[in-house]
Amino acid sequence: RKEVEQDPGPFNVPEGATVAFNCTYSNSASQSFFWYRQDCRKEPKLLMSVYSSGNEDGRFTAQLNRASQYISLLIRDSKLSDSATYLCVVNPGGKLIFGQGTELSVKP
Amino acid sequence: GAVVSQHPSWVICKSGTSVKIECRSLDFQATTMFWYRQFPKQSLMLMATSNEGSKATYEQGVEKDKFLINHASLTLSTLTVTSAHPEDSSFYICSARETGPDTQYFGPGTRLTVL
Repeated sequence: RKEVEQDPGPFNVPEGATVAFNCTYSNSASQSFFWYRQDCRKEPKLLMSVYSSGNEDGRFTAQLNRASQYISLLIRDSKLSDSATYLCVVNPGGKLIFGQGTELSVKP
Repeated sequence: GAVVSQHPSWVICKSGTSVKIECRSLDFQATTMFWYRQFPKQSLMLMATSNEGSKATYEQGVEKDKFLINHASLTLSTLTVTSAHPEDSSFYICSARETGPDTQYFGPGTRLTVL
């Protein structure tokens, strides 16, 4: 079983749609959680950290359920510029473990 | 702030040659740097963790004699791919972590193509 598993993609959605990404992790001792965004042929960039209480940053909302070892990312009112691969990332202690990523394509 | 650079951004080399990739933290001191590899359509895989002044810690399955890592200063780590082969062709990305904060800052990556 992979340490971090994400929804298979790609997700193709129209502008303005709401899209949700899911992620599960296997190491219950994991301490911190993130969503990264990676554009084609570029390095990953931190989108947001994920906190147990859930957190929101503009159109982006992240949720964490430690009991279920489940992380989610919701994007509302999606824009063309949101097209990218979204990586679920877990820190079990000192290093980052990346999921395989879910590709999002937002169409006009 | 928190900028990490990598050099070169891309390199093409012949099979059997060695390639050195540099990773620099430009505006902070990085006690720990990480090296990742990403094959097409796959996720980033951690290769090794390097701490300034000490030997790197390699992930399982990564050959330390093939991927030489040096972290001689708080702002520079290098990865040398020795005797490169076509299967080493990949996107190599480094990240750097400041003392204290848990956040890693990623370099722009180096695309290696071995002919």
